[in-house]
Amino acid sequence: GESVGLHLPTLSVQEGDNSIINCAYSNSASDYFIWYKQESGKGPQFIIDIRSNMDKRQGQRVTVLLNKTVKHLSLQIAATQPGDSAVYFCAEIYDYKLSFGAGTTVTVRA
Amino acid sequence: NAGVTQTPKFQVLKTGQSMTLQCAQDMNHNSMYWYRQDPGMGLRLIYYSASEGTTDKGEVPNGYNVSRLNKREFSLRLESAAPSQTSVYFCASIIRGGREQYFGPGTRLTVT
Repeated sequence: GESVGLHLPTLSVQEGDNSIINCAYSNSASDYFIWYKQESGKGPQFIIDIRSNMDKRQGQRVTVLLNKTVKHLSLQIAATQPGDSAVYFCAEIYDYKLSFGAGTTVTVRA
Repeated sequence: NAGVTQTPKFQVLKTGQSMTLQCAQDMNHNSMYWYRQDPGMGLRLIYYSASEGTTDKGEVPNGYNVSRLNKREFSLRLESAAPSQTSVYFCASIIRGGREQYFGPGTRLTVT
């Protein structure tokens, strides 16, 4: 069964606000955790990853936080834009294989 | 540089028919993967090939076979299609030691 899951299946955000997408995982042995974005009709696209020995990593407008104590992963998107509307998946890498959660659909309101 | 390409984009099969989904990458990646994605679910790993000449089962391999034809190409075969195999199929590749998997555009398969 899945070892990675997301807390909420949908998230509606006002344009310009910050988005927070959450994910819980169960495999403490995972090497990396990754966030993917999937737009309608397309394959998933890599956003950012974090190694299991890190707590925080920042990219362009995105920040990933890893809390190993409670096995929780989050993706923060700053100043959400219409182009951020998509399904977001967290995934973990263990033994060269990716395991995906079910996804959160983010809708940006104008 | 086309990245990861998949053919066909769409396919409709009758129960019991067979078909092969093709995948190719031009990024000189070592590892390649096949996933299926069902509505409301994340991607589930069917088979993967860590390197040319090797293939291994993933989470949901039953009803499928794969061939790593060469470093560029990794095909997925359905010998006798079933309605439960209606799904969107994604191929992906990654460089050795890398973490960013590159995905193809997907093949939408319907089995009636």
